[in-house]
Amino acid sequence: KAGVTQTPRYLIKTRGQQVTLSCSPISGHRSVSWYQQTPGQGLQFLFEYFSETQRNKGNFPGRFSGRQFSNSRSEMNVSTLELGDSALYLCASSSTGADQPQHFGDGTRLSIL
Amino acid sequence: AQSVTQLDSHVSVSEGTPVLLRCNYSSSYSPSLFWYVQHPNKGLQLLLKYTSAATLVKGINGFEAEFKKSETSFHLTKPSAHMSDAAEYFCVVSGSGYSTLTFGKGTMLLVSP
Repeated sequence: KAGVTQTPRYLIKTRGQQVTLSCSPISGHRSVSWYQQTPGQGLQFLFEYFSETQRNKGNFPGRFSGRQFSNSRSEMNVSTLELGDSALYLCASSSTGADQPQHFGDGTRLSIL
Repeated sequence: AQSVTQLDSHVSVSEGTPVLLRCNYSSSYSPSLFWYVQHPNKGLQLLLKYTSAATLVKGINGFEAEFKKSETSFHLTKPSAHMSDAAEYFCVVSGSGYSTLTFGKGTMLLVSP
């Protein structure tokens, strides 16, 4: 069974640009969660999608948004990038929800210049 | 609110010696607790989970953890460290009143020959 796949693995952007990250969950998993990981703040929950609906949201500004498609694949978008958005963005999937054991992808490393 | 405190940011051991990574939690509900491991440039992998069935939980790669309600602790142990255990370890809590996971700040395990 294929694991969680995130693309791209690495991205370099400049301030003010926008970026879209993609996540394909494990087959059959309907819940997809996104996390931001930085050395200073650790792992922070961004949002969760379940059956194409945002079910939970963390404490991030509206520049961070996401969506989920009917095949459970999910995308995360960050607009008007800031230097502080440099981070490892992790996607995780589970069969039932964001409070259950998560299966993580290897992440997208986003660097803002 | 629920929270997790990992008591050590770094732990150094020699190969073949025991490992102890400490975690205390706070939750208003009966918690589910997890330990995850993250190797460099990789996503998180579930080591073990506690969901009230047994207080001593065995995980992968020889790791185990004991849930102690009176001490609100969930420490991770391994009898004999291997070089391949060098990674960052996260203690995670989920409660029935919360819809997402709460991660600790992580403990970096260093293993020397």
